[in-house]
Amino acid sequence: AQSVTQPDIHITVSEGASLELRCNYSYGATPYLFWYVQSPGQGLQLLLKYFSGDTLVQGIKGFEAEFKRSQSSFNLRKPSVHWSDAAEYFCAVGERGSQGNLIFGKGTKLSVKP
Amino acid sequence: ETGVTQSPTHLIKTRGQQVTLRCSSQSGHNTVSWYQQALGQGPQFIFQYYREEENGRGNFPPRFSGLQFPNYSSELNVNALELDDSALYLCASSFLTSYNEQFFGPGTRLTVL
Repeated sequence: AQSVTQPDIHITVSEGASLELRCNYSYGATPYLFWYVQSPGQGLQLLLKYFSGDTLVQGIKGFEAEFKRSQSSFNLRKPSVHWSDAAEYFCAVGERGSQGNLIFGKGTKLSVKP
Repeated sequence: ETGVTQSPTHLIKTRGQQVTLRCSSQSGHNTVSWYQQALGQGPQFIFQYYREEENGRGNFPPRFSGLQFPNYSSELNVNALELDDSALYLCASSFLTSYNEQFFGPGTRLTVL
């Protein structure tokens, strides 16, 4: 069965520091991969997605993610974190050919120190 | 372009009652999916509707049911509410063939007492 693991429950970084959030997935083939962000009490906003092609994808708000097939990973990065980036981040996997079932990790809560 | 909207924002029910949550999909989208997000967890897929029919279902009991209307809006109905049904319910809309790319609404927070 497919699964998504986000090993870090909570990460704290200083404003201006770099950020990397980890995501590992279990799937027999190359899935569709997504990162979503959720602010408190809000729905999910799509940051970026990977379907095929270039393994380094750019998203909104200065985020990027790299798909590494050999490591079954899709880590999210940002070179310089802003206080407004404090939120919960979810990695999700979509099965090719499925009818829309996204499988989410449990999320990583990001706190930003001034 | 109008995004995904959900109503109500918050809802409090008691155990055993029934609840209906509503979702209007983003303009042009033909598919609606529903997710349950318990506190401290990631969203879990409940089901998806396309052309007014259920098009896929997660591991949820039959007391979770839905509808999709000709204008692509949708309802999620939950019967015989249990305490564990307390969660944020998220609706997401998409095109059926859009590689699972889904756009989420703000959610409905359901509390079951």
